[in-house]
Amino acid sequence: GENVEQHPSTLSVQEGDSAVIKCTYSDSASNYFPWYKQELGKGPQLIIDIRSNVGEKKDQRIAVTLNKTAKHFSLHITETQPEDSAVYFCAASEGAGNQFYFGTGTSLTVIP
Amino acid sequence: GAVVSQHPSRVICKSGTSVKIECRSLDFQATTMFWYRQFPKQSLMLMATSNEGSKATYEQGVEKDKFLINHASLTLSTLTVTSAHPEDSSFYICSARDRRAADTQYFGPGTRLTVL
Repeated sequence: GENVEQHPSTLSVQEGDSAVIKCTYSDSASNYFPWYKQELGKGPQLIIDIRSNVGEKKDQRIAVTLNKTAKHFSLHITETQPEDSAVYFCAASEGAGNQFYFGTGTSLTVIP
Repeated sequence: GAVVSQHPSRVICKSGTSVKIECRSLDFQATTMFWYRQFPKQSLMLMATSNEGSKATYEQGVEKDKFLINHASLTLSTLTVTSAHPEDSSFYICSARDRRAADTQYFGPGTRLTVL
């Protein structure tokens, strides 16, 4: 089955700096890669996703890159703000109808 | 759009009782719903996959007689924790897959279960 690894487990950045979180996956059949933000005591919220037919996707301060050959994808947050502080999870899936395999999470702290 | 609700948000019960958690997709139809369990500072652990009108598929190690799942309509799935014990205390989260965007899952806000 699929194995998703996520690094780092914790990340602290100064407000305004960029944050990068990386994930690797093992199953070449995976073709859908979402990222979720989870605040304390709440459910995960989808913040961005990418499908295997593209290499990069951007939404304002958030971007995701995908390297299918190397089987890794990354989340980039620019101009970080204190409200970006949360736990971020990556996931991989074979697409429609298939389960998600989650990374272990990254606790991001943005220091004002 | 793509809002998923869960009820209750928190529940405290005595050992041996049963607890029902509801998961609703509010503005879309969900042919598939998922139930997860999350321990503090850990990732989400898939418990079962629930398809509307059919029996749920449970992950290895999850007792189907203890965690009863019903998905009676395209907008509602329920998880019943039967004969709850303190070790069942956890954060339970559901997600729903929009039939129009079948690869994306939208999560509910979670239910904190505490068994005394």
